[in-house]
Amino acid sequence: NAGVTQTPKFRVLKTGQSMTLLCAQDMNHEYMYWYRQDPGMGLRLIHYSVGEGTTAKGEVPDGYNVSRLKKQNFLLGLESAAPSQTSVYFCASSSGHTGRRPNQPQHFGDGTRLSIL
Amino acid sequence: AQSVAQPEDQVNVAEGNPLTVKCTYSVSGNPYLFWYVQYPNRGLQFLLKYITGDNLVKGSYGFEAEFNKSQTSFHLKKPSALVSDSALYFCAVRVNDYKLSFGAGTTVTVRA
Repeated sequence: NAGVTQTPKFRVLKTGQSMTLLCAQDMNHEYMYWYRQDPGMGLRLIHYSVGEGTTAKGEVPDGYNVSRLKKQNFLLGLESAAPSQTSVYFCASSSGHTGRRPNQPQHFGDGTRLSIL
Repeated sequence: AQSVAQPEDQVNVAEGNPLTVKCTYSVSGNPYLFWYVQYPNRGLQFLLKYITGDNLVKGSYGFEAEFNKSQTSFHLKKPSALVSDSALYFCAVRVNDYKLSFGAGTTVTVRA
């Protein structure tokens, strides 16, 4: 029962390099999310997706791009990494809210720790 | 706008003592509230959620949360804390159909 799987777990980049973080979920969830976690700031939403082929901006989208080509996968890209993007990145997924199930929790992966030098 | 606040950065308790982690909320309409726990080098794990009409919500690992509408609070509680409860705890509120807003987190340390 894998849940939400993130790869890689750790990565060190140099300023200006690019990379893609992969998130995969096996719960058939419609919604997927990318967050970043920085000390004392809680979790901030970068981008999210409400279904295959759709994406939307969150609170802090600048410098990131995302794609959801398949329902189970949500990719986060950094085109030109900057030291300010040093953070721990979390992917999450959830099922949709309905009248009978209005309060569905999000399920999180274990994070990708990214350092940009 | 929907938001939550966690007024304490840190909570320290002795093992066996009651544990309370505070959360206050600000919402328009029905509050959809959650508690999550994060252990070192792990993602957030869902503990419990508020269900309309239940002022005391029971969750995982012996945790419960008390909803108080007049005080706009949703405090997390455990009657007898364990050392293994030491972790980072987040309160969250559903902003709309898709998004949650998280508090800044409270670090709980339970000493043996």
